[in-house]
Amino acid sequence: DAKTTQPTSMDCAEGRAANLPCNHSTISGNEYVYWYRQIHSQGPQYIIHGLKNNETNEMASLIITEDRKSSTLILPHATLRDTAVYYCIVRDTNAGKSTFGDGTTLTVKP
Amino acid sequence: DAGVTQSPTHLIKTRGQQVTLRCSPKSGHDTVSWYQQALGQGPQFIFQYYEEEERQRGNFPDRFSGHQFPNYSSELNVNALLLGDSALYLCASRRGVAPDTQYFGPGTRLTVL
Repeated sequence: DAKTTQPTSMDCAEGRAANLPCNHSTISGNEYVYWYRQIHSQGPQYIIHGLKNNETNEMASLIITEDRKSSTLILPHATLRDTAVYYCIVRDTNAGKSTFGDGTTLTVKP
Repeated sequence: DAGVTQSPTHLIKTRGQQVTLRCSPKSGHDTVSWYQQALGQGPQFIFQYYEEEERQRGNFPDRFSGHQFPNYSSELNVNALLLGDSALYLCASRRGVAPDTQYFGPGTRLTVL
């Protein structure tokens, strides 16, 4: 699996959009980008994933650059409950494992 | 629709003992993976089970072993526990081995004294 690079921490004001970047410059053509978040030692929660097109669901939007070397997770209206560690993962279509880095700790402030 | 469940929630063992952790996958899922998460770090892949066989393994010693049952539930066994085995153990499930979305359970917190 390709290595990902994320900032260690970020702050966001409540009600504002949170934009979490991820670099995955060595991603290969058959690797998907997945985002999970983990709130205070609970199990990671799936957020969204994509291959090359931008994706949106009820939780977030995922913007993948045209060269697929980076992506951004967007939480459109962050709330205090969005405070968590956010993990960006790239995973091969046939890979059993997901390789997690240390993620970005997002703190949403009132 | 039940999600991934794990038992027990917390466990305390002493060095040298053996432990068994259990996981029931989300309904409709047949593939189970186990991860170890040390404090302050991201989860690390241990192994994956599909069709009752270990399909892929991470960089963990043979003290870590597993099993998958016909109903797709799974066990993680750790022998000769070390202090460094203290961690949150996560189970994740999905359908098949294709890039289907993986869902995680709440984890088992293991403390080795």
